[in-house]
Amino acid sequence: AQSVTQPDIHITVSEGASLELRCNYSYGATPYLFWYVQSPGQGLQLLLKYFSGDTLVQGIKGFEAEFKRSQSSFNLRKPSVHWSDAAEYFCAALNYGGSQGNLIFGKGTKLSVKP
Amino acid sequence: NAGVTQTPKFQVLKTGQSMTLQCAQDMNHNSMYWYRQDPGMGLRLIYYSASEGTTDKGEVPNGYNVSRLNKREFSLRLESAAPSQTSVYFCASLGWSYNEQFFGPGTRLTVL
Repeated sequence: AQSVTQPDIHITVSEGASLELRCNYSYGATPYLFWYVQSPGQGLQLLLKYFSGDTLVQGIKGFEAEFKRSQSSFNLRKPSVHWSDAAEYFCAALNYGGSQGNLIFGKGTKLSVKP
Repeated sequence: NAGVTQTPKFQVLKTGQSMTLQCAQDMNHNSMYWYRQDPGMGLRLIYYSASEGTTDKGEVPNGYNVSRLNKREFSLRLESAAPSQTSVYFCASLGWSYNEQFFGPGTRLTVL
């Protein structure tokens, strides 16, 4: 079955430190991959997406993600975390092979930022 | 463009009551989705509609029904609410060329 795994439920980093959130996918083919962010009580905002081509993808708010086919991973990174980055982050994959374009989400990683 | 809108924002029901969550999008998208979000579970697909007049079950459809009223609107109905349906519900529509799913702001539902 297709799945998206985020191994870390909760991560705490200090403000100004670098960040890497992990995401692994299990698919028959390379899916379209996404990272969403959700602030408390809010909806989901798209940070970045990968379809094909350059494996390093730039997103909004200074985030980037790298697709590694050999590791079935799509990890999210930020060089220097700001307190406002505290939120929950979801990795998702879209099965473009079907006609319905379902999104399959990981269970999320909650990011806390220490001052 | 309002994007994807959902009503209501909050709702409290008693067990056994019914209600309909409304969703509309003004982007002329074909596909629309209903997800529920529970702590530690991420978002799980309840139902989706690939086009007007069609609906299909997702991962967790039990206890729900949907209607794709027209291209713009996709409603989710709870016929007899249960406490296990306490959740945050998100509606989404799929952009052209599978670019991105656009999410509504969510409906926070509590069933007592």
